[in-house]
Amino acid sequence: ELQVVESGGGLIQPGGSLRLSCAASGFTVSSHYMSWVRQAPGKGLEWVSVIYSGGSTYYADSVRGRFTISRDNSKNTLYLQMNSLRADDTAVYYCALYYYRNPYWGQGTRVTVSS
Amino acid sequence: EIVLTQSPGTLSLSPGERATLSCRASQSFSTTYLAWYQQKPGQAPRLLIYTTSSRATGIPDRFSGSGSGTDFTLTISRLEPEDFAVYYCQHYGSSQISFGQGTRLEIK
Repeated sequence: ELQVVESGGGLIQPGGSLRLSCAASGFTVSSHYMSWVRQAPGKGLEWVSVIYSGGSTYYADSVRGRFTISRDNSKNTLYLQMNSLRADDTAVYYCALYYYRNPYWGQGTRVTVSS
Repeated sequence: EIVLTQSPGTLSLSPGERATLSCRASQSFSTTYLAWYQQKPGQAPRLLIYTTSSRATGIPDRFSGSGSGTDFTLTISRLEPEDFAVYYCQHYGSSQISFGQGTRLEIK
């Protein structure tokens, strides 16, 4: 069964850093493209970043230069390193797998940026 | 970047009625990369449709997707009480994945 499970969220002060993890099972993270999506309280879905099987990475303008997407093939895990966090980064962050054009999402991990 | 615009913003209908939700793209793209999601308060988005018209596992056949080019549609043939929620379309076929702003389907 294909599954992605996010972790690593929490309360962090503005300017701080946090690393989110997305543990994968039932597939190999390096063989498919995967993305991070977030949803701020009361708002819609916002794409954050994507990594392709070949290693190419892309970012939304709102996070470029502050966030880094990566993966560890040995742990079969996707990551999102978030630096210089701001209040408007507060959101539930979802990991998504695109498995032969069929999306699979996790349940999300909540990030709150506040002093 | 492909911008998706959903309409209407809010749709008020009664159970048993037919719902038609629209998703219009700023430029044409392959039907391979268009998905629809349903989201209820406090829950993660639930995949309904992928590749424009393929129903996800466990999705009732009252949900159907269609479209091509720049115009895509999600149709719910006969609304059930549990269908009232927010619906999002998504393009996931390029270096910049995008979402529509959502359509809220509410009980009339």
